Amino acid sequence: RKEVEQDPGPFNVPEGATVAFNCTYSNSASQSFFWYRQDCRKEPKLLMSVYSSGNEDGRFTAQLNRASQYISLLIRDSKLSDSATYLCVVWDKAAGNKLTFGGGTRVLVKP
Amino acid sequence: GAVVSQHPSWVICKSGTSVKIECRSLDFQATTMFWYRQFPKQSLMLMATSNEGSKATYEQGVEKDKFLINHASLTLSTLTVTSAHPEDSSFYICSATGALPGNEKLFFGSGTQLSVL
Repeated sequence: RKEVEQDPGPFNVPEGATVAFNCTYSNSASQSFFWYRQDCRKEPKLLMSVYSSGNEDGRFTAQLNRASQYISLLIRDSKLSDSATYLCVVWDKAAGNKLTFGGGTRVLVKP
Repeated sequence: GAVVSQHPSWVICKSGTSVKIECRSLDFQATTMFWYRQFPKQSLMLMATSNEGSKATYEQGVEKDKFLINHASLTLSTLTVTSAHPEDSSFYICSATGALPGNEKLFFGSGTQLSVL
């Protein structure tokens, strides 16, 4: 089993619709979780950190479910510019700063 | 905000040559730097983690003698691909994190596209 797993997609989303996807992680002791966005051949850019209580940033909502060991990202009112690959990142600082990326979920927003 | 500068952005080289990629943190001290490789349509794969002043920790399957990492200062880490071959062609990207309390962010360089002919 991969340490961090994501559905690769692509998720084809009509403009204005809502899309949500998850990321599962295998290490129950993992402490920090992030969602990054990566456009083709560009560096990943931090979208948002994921907190235990869940957090929202505009049209984006992130949730953490420690019991089931997954995090989720929900995008409301999708824009064409939301088309990208979304990377789930698990950061285990206690384990020598181990950083593990999921394989990414590709989202395509269409008019 | 903090910036990580990575050079070169792209490089084309002949098979057998060595290529050095630099990663600099511009306005913070990068205690830890990470090096990744990304093949087309795949996610980033961590190659190694380096802490300033100590040897890098390589991920399983990454040859430390082929991918030399130096993190001699708190603002500079280098990755040298030695005797590059076409199968080493990939997108290489670095990231860095600092020791600022409460500011546990990860900053990425802009990446280097390596093409080995």
